[in-house]
Formats: sequence, structure tokens, C-alpha cells
Amino acid sequence: AQKVTQAQTEISVVEKEDVTLDCVYETRDTTYYLFWYKQPPSGELVFLIRRNSFDEQNEISGRYSWNFQKSTSSFNFTITASQVVDSAVYFCALSEAERTGANNLFFGTGTRLTVIP
Amino acid sequence: DTAVSQTPKYLVTQMGNDKSIKCEQNLGHDTMYWYKQDSKKFLKIMFSYNNKELIINETVPNRFSPKSPDKAHLNLHINSLELGDSAVYFCASSFRGNTEAFFGQGTRLTVV
Repeated sequence: AQKVTQAQTEISVVEKEDVTLDCVYETRDTTYYLFWYKQPPSGELVFLIRRNSFDEQNEISGRYSWNFQKSTSSFNFTITASQVVDSAVYFCALSEAERTGANNLFFGTGTRLTVIP
Repeated sequence: DTAVSQTPKYLVTQMGNDKSIKCEQNLGHDTMYWYKQDSKKFLKIMFSYNNKELIINETVPNRFSPKSPDKAHLNLHINSLELGDSAVYFCASSFRGNTEAFFGQGTRLTVV
């Protein structure tokens, strides 16, 4: 069965600090997809990144970067030089789309990030 | 233009009532979903649906039923509402399993 673990329930950092959000997953499938979503205080879910299981290349997008390591089943998310607008709940998610044919997302419990000005 | 839109945004109703939440997407996607987010922020898939197949999470009570008049719409009907149904319900869409899912803004359902 699939599982996504985000061990960090809440993190607080001071503005401009770097912060890493951890995500560990479990799946029996060899083909799967990993995601990060952001849920700001306004409540919507904002897509950040999608990574397939065959692509272990790290990705950087502005202040955001992601480190995918199949050997440790981890897909960690780093925010560099954090800003107050980064305050949100961040969700890691897993999809076993190849098997199910649909993008059913299994979410972790989320990490609430608070950036203090 | 909103890509995935849900109505209403807020819904307050009494126990035992039947209610519907509407969802529409204009992204040309062929698969739509309903998720439930509980008071602890935990997100759980309820249904996924394309024009060929409905995949139901077995933990969803049969009081919940998705109805899709066409590819761009997936409405959620809930019968005999219970207090425990209070949550935020999110609609989402994607192109099968090959793209990311985009979410609507959520519907906060409160059962009193």
C-alpha cells in the first residue's frame, strides 16, 4: 500500500533563512509520480512540482528546489531565503498513475511553515 | 478565467439534508476528482472519474455520489448529511495520470 510521511508537523523560521521540508514515501510500484502542493492561509491548493520515478534529477525553480532520492524514498523540498509569503501548509503527495490510470493523489499530513518577519 | 471552479464556496446545512456541490473545469482535462480535507488538514481522495471509469475510494460512504453530465463537470451529491461530513471538499482535474492535478478553491461544508 502507498504511504507518504511528512514527519515535520510545524516549522518556524525567520525570514531569509533556508528551510527544508521532508517527505518520505512508500510504494510497491516501479512507476509513480511525486508532487508538492502549497496551501496558503486562503485555502486553495497550489501545484508546485511533479516528478516521475525515473527522473532523479534535482530541480530548481527560483528560490525553490527539490531533492529526489529513490535510494532513501525521499522527495525533499527546500526554500532558500524564505519570505513571509511562503507561510503555508505544504503537502507532499504520491500518485501510482501508471497502475490506476488516474492521478489519484495520496497526500502526506502536511507541514505548516511559518516565516517570521 | 478560473481553471477549476466549485460552487458554492461555503455551504451550511442541517443534518439529514441532501446537498450538491458543483465543479467545472475548462482545462480540457478528461479526468476529474473529489477530495475531502478534514479539520486536521488531512486530504483524502474520494473519487476519480473519466468518461470510462469511476474509481471509488472504498472508505467513502455510499451517501456520497459523483455525477458527471459531461467531461467538464463532476458534481458531488451527498444524501442524509451527518455532522462528520463537515469538511472542505476539493474538486480537481488532470489529463488521465500523465499530468499534475489542478484544484478548485474548495467548498467548506458545515453540517449543523
